[in-house]
Amino acid sequence: NAGVTQTPKFQVLKTGQSMTLQCAQDMNHNSMYWYRQDPGMGLRLIYYSASEGTTDKGEVPNGYNVSRLNKREFSLRLESAAPSQTSVYFCASKSGRGTDTQYFGPGTRLTVL
Amino acid sequence: GENVEQHPSTLSVQEGDSAVIKCTYSDSASNYFPWYKQELGKGPQLIIDIRSNVGEKKDQRIAVTLNKTAKHFSLHITETQPEDSAVYFCAASSDTGRRALTFGSGTRLQVQP
Repeated sequence: NAGVTQTPKFQVLKTGQSMTLQCAQDMNHNSMYWYRQDPGMGLRLIYYSASEGTTDKGEVPNGYNVSRLNKREFSLRLESAAPSQTSVYFCASKSGRGTDTQYFGPGTRLTVL
Repeated sequence: GENVEQHPSTLSVQEGDSAVIKCTYSDSASNYFPWYKQELGKGPQLIIDIRSNVGEKKDQRIAVTLNKTAKHFSLHITETQPEDSAVYFCAASSDTGRRALTFGSGTRLQVQP
């Protein structure tokens, strides 16, 4: 039982390049989330998926797209990376069945030059 | 939307002393208040949480108190140990809308041996 896994751990992009951050959970959770963490600002919600087949915008969705591929996987795509997207990205999941606890992955550190 | 403020941003205590971190929230509909601990290079990990129908909850050396009227909640760590050194985040969510967490900006706790 690996919990929430994220790939890659580190990534360096040039401005304008695209990439997809992968997230998977093996806890049979319904809800999945993408957050970004910037110094002094805590974690901010980018997108979330309350259940398989649904996605919704969070606080800071501009410049990102998501896909809930199946119940296990929730990917985050940067179509044209900008330096302002340099951040640490965390994926999280929640059962949604009588519990509010979110479980976080180890994060992806992204640098956009 | 919800706004969560967290203080202090940094806290240094001597081993064995107590540490207190305070958060305030703005949305009266919020009813779930978790605290996360984040160690360097890792994702946030839940350490304790409280729902709005409870005023206090304890788990060994950690306790959380909630004042719904004043819209603030606090984390108390007693008999601090060097391994308690980390960044701590408070968060809030409600059963309506996104049901996603809104995080405070974090407190870096340093326990001096």
